[in-house]
Amino acid sequence: EVQLLESGGGLVQPGGSLRLSCAASGFTFSSYSMSWVRQAPGKGLEWVSTVSGSGGTTYYADSVKGRFTISRDNSKNTLYLQMNSLKAGDTAVYYCAKGLLSYTWYFDLWGRGTLVTVSS
Amino acid sequence: QSALTQPPSASGSPGQSVTISCTGTSSDVGAYNYVSWYQQHPGKAPKLMIYEVSKRPSGVPDRFSGSRSGNTASLTVSGLQAEDEADYYCSSYAGSNNFVVFGGGTKLTVL
Repeated sequence: EVQLLESGGGLVQPGGSLRLSCAASGFTFSSYSMSWVRQAPGKGLEWVSTVSGSGGTTYYADSVKGRFTISRDNSKNTLYLQMNSLKAGDTAVYYCAKGLLSYTWYFDLWGRGTLVTVSS
Repeated sequence: QSALTQPPSASGSPGQSVTISCTGTSSDVGAYNYVSWYQQHPGKAPKLMIYEVSKRPSGVPDRFSGSRSGNTASLTVSGLQAEDEADYYCSSYAGSNNFVVFGGGTKLTVL
């Protein structure tokens, strides 16, 4: 079955760190760009970061640049998001999403999301 | 405040058509063909409905169509069905500074 499964969310204090993982199955993981998109409670979608299929190219939203690091392990079919210096504004459900075909900026497969809560 | 502007709500009766607008700028919607639309039901992950302004991924009904005029993109849902009731988000590539921007979302209600 083609699916994405996120893990690693939870409650963290402001200034803390968290690493999210996204396990992929059912498709050739290394052939597609992968992204993280977040959604604050009751709010809209916000793109966070994207990594190319090889892992050699990464892109970040200004809101997380310098604090978050996206990476992937194609041997494990897993996407990661290392989040440091977390702020209350980072509280959201974090979705991992697969790029459509050879496109980088369309997301055709999404996980169910993992909730990150930044609070003291 | 979202980069792309969508109406907060839209509605229509079963069988009718409804159009949702998405207004950007000449730096995003008006500059690139990378406009997409996502459907999100409550508590669920988003689903890609339209990409490259007007293309439908496999499995998306042809009742859903996309278009663009200048800096405004539109999603039209024809022959409204109860299951179309959801939140809809537009998205656009915005160049090498912002990459991807989303609209604030439109809640579509089927009356």
